[in-house]
Amino acid sequence: AQRVTQPEKLLSVFKGAPVELKCNYSYSGSPELFWYVQYSRQRLQLLLRHISRESIKGFTADLNKGETSFHLKKPFAQEEDSAMYYCALLGGGNQFYFGTGTSLTVIP
Amino acid sequence: NAGVTQTPKFQVLKTGQSMTLQCAQDMNHEYMSWYRQDPGMGLRLIHYSVGAGITDQGEVPNGYNVSRSTTEDFPLRLLSAAPSQTSVYFCASSLVAGGPSEQFFGPGTRLTVL
Repeated sequence: AQRVTQPEKLLSVFKGAPVELKCNYSYSGSPELFWYVQYSRQRLQLLLRHISRESIKGFTADLNKGETSFHLKKPFAQEEDSAMYYCALLGGGNQFYFGTGTSLTVIP
Repeated sequence: NAGVTQTPKFQVLKTGQSMTLQCAQDMNHEYMSWYRQDPGMGLRLIHYSVGAGITDQGEVPNGYNVSRSTTEDFPLRLLSAAPSQTSVYFCASSLVAGGPSEQFFGPGTRLTVL
């Protein structure tokens, strides 16, 4: 079965502290993984995708096939990072599977 | 470009009523999809389409129908609304099916079924 697990519903960190949002996946093939973000009163939008190996707004995510994880990290959290974050997997048959989301609050 | 548009923004239905949620995109995207977002459940795929005339079921298709007669439009029909269909519905599109294409989301439709 193809699944995405985000174990933390809520995460609070202080401004300037490192942040890590966890994502684990279950997929038998070669996974394509994404992080999407939804800021308050905005649309859900792509933050980054593993295939691009990019850093967006200071965030990075590394695919660890051994641990089947795709954790999102940022060394120094900013207040504007407060949002809802979703990890997503493109599974077989062109179907996307989203995790349940993690609500990040950065405390000033 | 307007991107992905959805109408209506809010809707209240009575149990048993039917309605259609509209979704349109003006980016000539092949792939379109419908999700529902429920507290604690994240986004779950209802139906998707890889091109005009082609649709397929996602994770939670029961109670919903779709069609894709044009590239631009992908309406979602609720045949006989039930309280369990109270949710926020999102339409999304991406340039191509499969691969790491970015999905662009609409603003959502908040549906309440009484």
